Amino acid sequence: EAGVAQSPRYKIIEKRQSVAFWCNPISGHATLYWYQQILGQGPKLLIQFQNNGVVDDSQLPKDRFSAERLKGVDSTLKIQPAKLEDSAVYLCASSLAPDPTYNEQFFGPGTRLTVL
Amino acid sequence: AQSVTQLGSHVSVSEGALVLLRCNYSSSVPPYLFWYVQYPNQGLQLLLKYTSAATLVKGINGFEAEFKKSETSFHLTKPSAHMSDAAEYFCALPQKLVFGTGTRLLVSP
Repeated sequence: EAGVAQSPRYKIIEKRQSVAFWCNPISGHATLYWYQQILGQGPKLLIQFQNNGVVDDSQLPKDRFSAERLKGVDSTLKIQPAKLEDSAVYLCASSLAPDPTYNEQFFGPGTRLTVL
Repeated sequence: AQSVTQLGSHVSVSEGALVLLRCNYSSSVPPYLFWYVQYPNQGLQLLLKYTSAATLVKGINGFEAEFKKSETSFHLTKPSAHMSDAAEYFCALPQKLVFGTGTRLLVSP
């Protein structure tokens, strides 16, 4: 079974530029998560999707971050414009159903973003 | 607010020595607690989980953790460290999707 795919693996941009990350979850997984992992910290949830609907985006900085999952399969996370403090690893995870207590999340390898 | 605290950002052990990684939680409701492992340049992988059944939980790669309500702890242990255990370990509260800050385990020969 293929795992969660993310691209690109690495991205370097200058501040105020735009960037987009792509995630393809495990086939059949209805729930998709985006996390931000800053160096030295644990992952922080940015947004959770159930199919193509948003379950929780309370920690997403909506003035510069956006995410979509239009067809309920793959997803894109965008930052526009980027700030220095956005330098982090962006992790995508998926699970069969929305309750993370009973539905294991499977994580992708992440995209490491460096903002100069 | 629900949270987890991991004491020690780095833990160093010798190969064959006991591994002890600490996690304390704060929760207003009975918690479920998970441990994840993250190898370099990889995503997180579930190591083990406590979901209010047995308080001693066994996971993959010889790791286990014990839930102690009186101490609000869920420490991760392994009797004998192996070089391949070198990684970062995260304690998490899945109900709130909250992760600790992580502990990097270093294993020396």
